[in-house]
Amino acid sequence: QVQLVQSGAEVKKPGASVKVSCKASGYTFANYYIHWVRQAPGLGLEWMGIINCGGGDTTYSQKFQDRLTMTRDTPTGTVYMELSSLRSEDTAVYYCAREVALGVGAMSFWGQGTLVTVSS
Amino acid sequence: EIVLTQSPGTLSLSPGERVTLSCRASQSVSGRQLAWYQQKPGQAPRLLFHGASSRATGIPDRFSGSGSGTDFTLTISRLEPEDFAVYYCQQYSRSYTFGQGTRLEIK
Repeated sequence: QVQLVQSGAEVKKPGASVKVSCKASGYTFANYYIHWVRQAPGLGLEWMGIINCGGGDTTYSQKFQDRLTMTRDTPTGTVYMELSSLRSEDTAVYYCAREVALGVGAMSFWGQGTLVTVSS
Repeated sequence: EIVLTQSPGTLSLSPGERVTLSCRASQSVSGRQLAWYQQKPGQAPRLLFHGASSRATGIPDRFSGSGSGTDFTLTISRLEPEDFAVYYCQQYSRSYTFGQGTRLEIK
């Protein structure tokens, strides 16, 4: 069965970077795109970016363009999301999510979420 | 950027009632490239529909999705206790954006 397992919670100081992993299993990794979506406490869902797990190309939301990097490691089936220059407003649960099918941008499988807390 | 506006913000209803949630887009969503999600506290979102009306695996048929262009709806024909949650729409026609959500609470 399809699974996305994310790394554990992180606490970071303002200005630092955080790198969250998302390990995929149960399907052919390279055949799908994975999104990153975040949710600040008590707020809604915010799309951050997408990575093509086959070719490695990425598209980021303009909001995060300057400080977001998504990468993938094909042999391990793992996607990484790194956010730099953290500020308190980046405190949120970060989710990875796989698309329903290639080119269909709805997200059918989600990781369990990773809480990132930014605090001095 | 396509902005999605969901209404109402909060609905208070009783089990057994019928409910319709609205999602309105600031520009036409081509190809009906709109999804609906359900999210319960402490859980990741769960896909309900993609392509506006294609039900995801395991979603009960009391849920239905419809719409095109700029107006989309999610209908629950008869509310079950487990349906009380927050619902989000999301478009993937031009980049990706989510609506702000509609909270469905028990009356």
